[in-house]
Amino acid sequence: DSGVTQTPKHLITATGQRVTLRCSPRSGDLSVYWYQQSLDQGLQFLIHYYNGEERAKGNILERFSAQQFPDLHSELNLSSLELGDSALYFCASSPDPGTNEKLFFGSGTQLSVL
Amino acid sequence: AQSVTQLDSHVSVSEGTPVLLRCNYSSSYSPSLFWYVQHPNKGLQLLLKYTSAATLVKGINGFEAEFKKSETSFHLTKPSAHMSDAAEYFCVVSGGYSSASKIIFGSGTRLSIRP
Repeated sequence: DSGVTQTPKHLITATGQRVTLRCSPRSGDLSVYWYQQSLDQGLQFLIHYYNGEERAKGNILERFSAQQFPDLHSELNLSSLELGDSALYFCASSPDPGTNEKLFFGSGTQLSVL
Repeated sequence: AQSVTQLDSHVSVSEGTPVLLRCNYSSSYSPSLFWYVQHPNKGLQLLLKYTSAATLVKGINGFEAEFKKSETSFHLTKPSAHMSDAAEYFCVVSGGYSSASKIIFGSGTRLSIRP
């Protein structure tokens, strides 16, 4: 158990809808990363938050947004969903804002857009 | 700019034989390099990391990797494969301690173990 909790584990929704994925980092970790994993794109970095502030953006669509709350949990909001958004979404946390520390991954949210 | 290339999308070995998963990287900084493993329906777990200390890094489950700057490689090895090693393996490069830095994942290598 990595200590990172993601909910829900599975999510099935329809095109055009909006969903929210939730991540609770390990106790004391200030950094939260979001990744999208799909068969054709592999593991894609989406966004990084540190202590409530956005630190880096990757291949995140404008239809997607994220935030990190004062209690350090994070939410990834996906709107106007398309079939191609179906993927496994991972959250990872680390204690450090930099990139030299290892990441602790949650078990992911499997999103299916029908 | 940073990049990482995993040279094999799929590797299949027999149980008890050596494992070699190849990774080449490119980085403008002195890189930190990692190997992560992902078992089916699980999140990723760190196997080992290199951060400019010893060039031969030992990880969990008997895996190790050697940093070779001249070859820009960070190949993952294990002397004797076990059935439980069947999983997806990701080589990761990161570098710099800035807000704009990103962690770059390779495309993954699926390791299959034959009985």
